[in-house]
Amino acid sequence: QSALTQPPSASGSPGQSVTISCTGTSSNVGGYTYVSWYQQHPGKAPKLMIYEVSKRPSGVPDRFSGSKSGNTASLTVSGLQAEDEADYYCSSYAGSSNWVFGGGTKLTVL
Amino acid sequence: QLQLQESGPGLVKPSETLSLTCTVSGGSISSSSYYWGWIRQPPGKGLEWIGSIYYSGNSDYNPSLKSRVTISVDTSKNHFSLKLSSVTAADTAVYYCARHRVMTTQEFDYWGQGTLVTVSS
Repeated sequence: QSALTQPPSASGSPGQSVTISCTGTSSNVGGYTYVSWYQQHPGKAPKLMIYEVSKRPSGVPDRFSGSKSGNTASLTVSGLQAEDEADYYCSSYAGSSNWVFGGGTKLTVL
Repeated sequence: QLQLQESGPGLVKPSETLSLTCTVSGGSISSSSYYWGWIRQPPGKGLEWIGSIYYSGNSDYNPSLKSRVTISVDTSKNHFSLKLSSVTAADTAVYYCARHRVMTTQEFDYWGQGTLVTVSS
């Protein structure tokens, strides 16, 4: 059982937008601005997509955006493309030198 | 370009110790800006942070694994290592090493390709 709760699946058609949620507590997501998101294609290593809630590393398309409200963080993928189909994981600092992940969300592009 | 590469046995017997090494290339493990971490992923499941270490040897561990985990660093070889003792089938997973920006924004920004470790007799 993961410390952060994500929906198991999400889907959208090409060109549409989809939002994936990541719910924690005031001890992790709600207490810090250190939420990050990772994309993982089958058989591949995770790739950093968002850090510090809403910042994008160099090279990540601006179709990917992040936000946070209270104990829930969100990843929005706009203008869905076929290559966005992957698993997405959120992560948060949880205090006391501890880091936690969500259970992952499988994004399907219809 | 920073690269990380995991290495070690792919098969470990129950009750024995799992040992993996992550070799860093394209950058120095002695950088004052980063920690270096281990994350694992059981087949078909999510990610779990195992622990992270600074080049000085200062380390942090997942409380649920702390009693069985040791992470060490060898700056002369530019690599860091993971030891997980008393393994069971539940420790079967793909093990990733990653650069961990503990000193600033907390994310894992560079990852190795991962290595599958199976615990079985």
